[in-house]
Amino acid sequence: ETGVTQSPTHLIKTRGQQVTLRCSSQSGHNTVSWYQQALGQGPQFIFQYYREEENGRGNFPPRFSGLQFPNYSSELNVNALELDDSALYLCASTRRLAGGNRGEQYFGPGTRLTVT
Amino acid sequence: AQTVTQSQPEMSVQEAETVTLSCTYDTSESNYYLFWYKQPPSRQMILVIRQEAYKQQNATENRFSVNFQKAAKSFSLKISDSQLGDTAMYFCAFVATSGTYKYIFGTGTRLKVLA
Repeated sequence: ETGVTQSPTHLIKTRGQQVTLRCSSQSGHNTVSWYQQALGQGPQFIFQYYREEENGRGNFPPRFSGLQFPNYSSELNVNALELDDSALYLCASTRRLAGGNRGEQYFGPGTRLTVT
Repeated sequence: AQTVTQSQPEMSVQEAETVTLSCTYDTSESNYYLFWYKQPPSRQMILVIRQEAYKQQNATENRFSVNFQKAAKSFSLKISDSQLGDTAMYFCAFVATSGTYKYIFGTGTRLKVLA
């Protein structure tokens, strides 16, 4: 059973640029969530994808967008990067059953994004 | 809206001693889960222990146990026989079982185990 993987590990971008982060969910998991973890803080929920559709969103502007693919992998896109977007971006997957029950989320190692 | 509060930014404990990390939460939900996650410098979030709100019995996982006080909305983590490898950030997290399954995290407690 493979765990949650994320790429790239580190990324440096310039303010105003766009970035795409990738996540492969754990085998058998159909729901992916993205979190932003600023330095010294707890992770903040960005959004969640289930069956290729956004299934909930936190308090993040529209320039944060995402995708989920048929194999349940996911992308996080951030447009018009700002200095405050510098953070660790965590992807987490879980398995949502037909009755709606879900287990704990399994986290990937994260992508460290630095915006200069 | 749910909130999770960890009031201890940093703690230290001697190797082999016991330490307790505090967490309080606020919610109007009746069905939810609570978790403690460990985040070492490698950044990987590792699940330490999980508690279902409907269970009165406190969860235990080897050296890790919780004191779950539902009425007080308190969820503390006790680490017994602390080891150097326990040095990490510890996050308390809440998730309601209804609606979007999103975790609400506290701000974390940095634990240092001293040799």
